Amino acid sequence: TQLLEQSPQFLSIQEGENLTVYCNSSSVFSSLQWYRQEPGEGPVLLVTVVTGGEVKKLKRLTFQFGDARKDSSLHITAAQPGDTGLYLCAEPNNNAGNMLTFGGGTRLMVKP
Amino acid sequence: DVKVTQSSRYLVKRTGEKVFLECVQDMDHENMFWYRQDPGLGLRLIYFSYDVKMKEKGDIPEGYSVSREKKERFSLILESASTNQTSMYLCASSWGVGSPLHFGNGTRLTVT
Repeated sequence: TQLLEQSPQFLSIQEGENLTVYCNSSSVFSSLQWYRQEPGEGPVLLVTVVTGGEVKKLKRLTFQFGDARKDSSLHITAAQPGDTGLYLCAEPNNNAGNMLTFGGGTRLMVKP
Repeated sequence: DVKVTQSSRYLVKRTGEKVFLECVQDMDHENMFWYRQDPGLGLRLIYFSYDVKMKEKGDIPEGYSVSREKKERFSLILESASTNQTSMYLCASSWGVGSPLHFGNGTRLTVT
């Protein structure tokens, strides 16, 4: 069974601070997707990482895929209140690639 | 942009009622999914469908059934609602294997 662990579970910071959240797997990822879910809405895809060591940037968000493809991180620079939400990582199911397995998420609150 | 529409944002039902949750997507996606989201438990897959009239059980199918008579529509059915089915239900669609999910905004179901 694939297990995706995200840490920390909760994070409350002040506007302008930097933060990093993590996603770790019990097995090697084929690929990994990061989503953000804002209150009252469904999750929205931020990025997909595929290659070990890959780094992708989306404005103030930097996504890194571990060399061994068993871990990934999301770093936010100078966080803003608009970054508040639930950050989820997900990977295709080993047995049925149509399906995604989600981590438990990191709930981020950025206070003004 | 892909649009996934869930018919209700909020529903309140009584124990034992039959409940239908409807979901429609407008991008001709092959795959459609139903997840439930509970605090501390993340997103758990109930059922998914990879084609019309085709369905596969997810991690927690007990107490639920699904129907996909048309490609764009995927219905989740609670045959006899129970209080432990109080949750946020999220519908999603995707194009193919490993491709990202597009979510609706969710239906918050309360069973009293």
